[in-house]
Amino acid sequence: EDKVVQSPLSLVVHEGDTVTLNCSYEVTNFRSLLWYKQEKKAPTFLFMLTSSGIEKKSGRLSSILDKKELFSILNITATQTGDSAVYLCAGNNAGNMLTFGGGTRLMVKP
Amino acid sequence: GAVVSQHPSRVICKSGTSVKIECRSLDFQATTMFWYRQFPKQSLMLMATSNEGSKATYEQGVEKDKFLINHASLTLSTLTVTSAHPEDSSFYICSARDRGYYNEQFFGPGTRLTVL
Repeated sequence: EDKVVQSPLSLVVHEGDTVTLNCSYEVTNFRSLLWYKQEKKAPTFLFMLTSSGIEKKSGRLSSILDKKELFSILNITATQTGDSAVYLCAGNNAGNMLTFGGGTRLMVKP
Repeated sequence: GAVVSQHPSRVICKSGTSVKIECRSLDFQATTMFWYRQFPKQSLMLMATSNEGSKATYEQGVEKDKFLINHASLTLSTLTVTSAHPEDSSFYICSARDRGYYNEQFFGPGTRLTVL
């Protein structure tokens, strides 16, 4: 059974801090790893990672995948209150089925 | 592009009634749609996968007679919660896979179901 574990479960930081969110996975016939941001409604897509060691970047957010260690991190620099959300990672297998981690709840205080 | 809508966004119903939730891909053809359930402060749990024109595949522990899924066209899938009970209260999210973007699922905005 595929399994995705995220840490920490929750995090409280102040604006301007940098945070690193962790995601480890065990996915049979792994195809890709995806990061999502979820506020009040459904998740919104952030990144899809397929290759090891190649950083993907979007503004203050960046993510990288380590396929040897079965691990990914999501970095957010210079955090803002608008970054407060639940961040989900999901492993995608060859059948294109997503297994979600439990999420990291990030709160950014002014 | 790649917009998925859900209707209704919120529904409150009495115990024992049935509720239908629609999921539509607005600007693409979705050969596969997925239904997830999310309880408060928990992650998304896949309930079932539906392919257009065929029966849905349910995940272990999900009652297919209780959660009826129909994927009648390439742009519409419906989830009917039959004889709803308070423990069915949850956030239901659908996603759709564009046949042109095989690796990516596009999520609908979700439907919050409250069963009294």
